[in-house]
Amino acid sequence: GQQVQQSPSSLVLQEGENAELQCNFSSTATQLQWFYQSPGGSLVSLLSNPSGTKHTGRLTSTTVTKERRSSLHISSSQTTDSGTYLCAIEDTGYQNFYFGKGTSLTVIP
Amino acid sequence: EAAVTQSPRNKVAVTGGKVTLSCNQTNNHNNMYWYRQDTGHGLRLIHYSYGAGSTEKGDIPDGYKASRPSQENFSLILELATPSQTSVYFCASGDADRGEQYFGPGTRLTVL
Repeated sequence: GQQVQQSPSSLVLQEGENAELQCNFSSTATQLQWFYQSPGGSLVSLLSNPSGTKHTGRLTSTTVTKERRSSLHISSSQTTDSGTYLCAIEDTGYQNFYFGKGTSLTVIP
Repeated sequence: EAAVTQSPRNKVAVTGGKVTLSCNQTNNHNNMYWYRQDTGHGLRLIHYSYGAGSTEKGDIPDGYKASRPSQENFSLILELATPSQTSVYFCASGDADRGEQYFGPGTRLTVL
């Protein structure tokens, strides 16, 4: 199955700073999805980006499929962005997802 | 917005007992998934399903069974619960065409 590595494992920012989160995966993926997990534990889909660049709000994801990597850029961070960001890869042809261990983001005021 | 619900939200079970975790989705997605999340391991896939009547083993299926009696419902069954199955369990439904998953709120299971 897929190996999914996320970096950094944790990140502390001052409010207003930008964040860059990385996701690397071991083999070809048909789908890639970024999730936010709140401190309370709930999982929310942020965006799906198997290739290219996608924007939603303050989030920009860039996936370079042939290099097996994706990034999530959070601009102008807010304290409410604090939580864990997870990258999930769908294994080609299997319709099941593999998750990285996440990046824990703390935004301080 | 996708709607996936889980019950119960919290469960305390005894070693050797039977536990059933239930999941319901109203998204009409064909795919459904059961994961567990543990510190240091992240989310790991236990079982998944492509539709009513189908179940497939994920990465860590030992000690778990799954049942998909309908498009909407997917259950995870622990026939003989053990303390090592203490974890937070998440159910998800998946849009295969878009490659997206939508998660339920999770069930915290403690096996004493």
